[in-house]
Amino acid sequence: DTAVSQTPKYLVTQMGNDKSIKCEQNLGHDTMYWYKQDSKKFLKIMFSYNNKELIINETVPNRFSPKSPDKAHLNLHINSLELGDSAVYFCASSESRTGVGNEQFFGPGTRLTVL
Amino acid sequence: QKEVEQDPGPLSVPEGAIVSLNCTYSNSAFQYFMWYRQYSRKGPELLMYTYSSGNKEDGRFTAQVDKSSKYISLFIRDSQPSDSATYLCAIASKLTFGTGTRLQVTL
Repeated sequence: DTAVSQTPKYLVTQMGNDKSIKCEQNLGHDTMYWYKQDSKKFLKIMFSYNNKELIINETVPNRFSPKSPDKAHLNLHINSLELGDSAVYFCASSESRTGVGNEQFFGPGTRLTVL
Repeated sequence: QKEVEQDPGPLSVPEGAIVSLNCTYSNSAFQYFMWYRQYSRKGPELLMYTYSSGNKEDGRFTAQVDKSSKYISLFIRDSQPSDSATYLCAIASKLTFGTGTRLQVTL
């Protein structure tokens, strides 16, 4: 009965490879997010989707491409991985996109290490 | 200037102490604030949210907003070793998080 799940939990890969991270929520929420948390624990929003529509696209290299096949799923594909992409990537979901009700439920994170 | 700033700590207190965690924010238009707790190697989880000014209490936790000084605080009473975690403040409308304060409660 996990609310927000991500796979894989750990990902170790070589520079230049392409990889995907998957996220699913069973909370019935309309909005989903991808965050990046660096080694200093700084959590930064990357993307947000509302009902499969991209609503937030922060300054992120275009090697990162999110995809939302339906409102319960949000995947993140990363092309040509670089050392600086090493971080923990968190998926989150919320009932609505603004204000009250914008409580976000986070997944357990995917720890990406690029060698 | 960053939209929200937070002292990274670490902050070490003995069990039973009152803990005060603080953030400052830059824009007086911000009205909706949240506090998240993140245990090591886990995702953040919402502890409390506050809207505009004033206090909000939930058990041992109290969240406070001082709009005049653009300051938000989280107080933890009777701190327990299980409170040892990183605490992040957040501006809801901007999806902006502070860098987090690492708290260690010792026996």
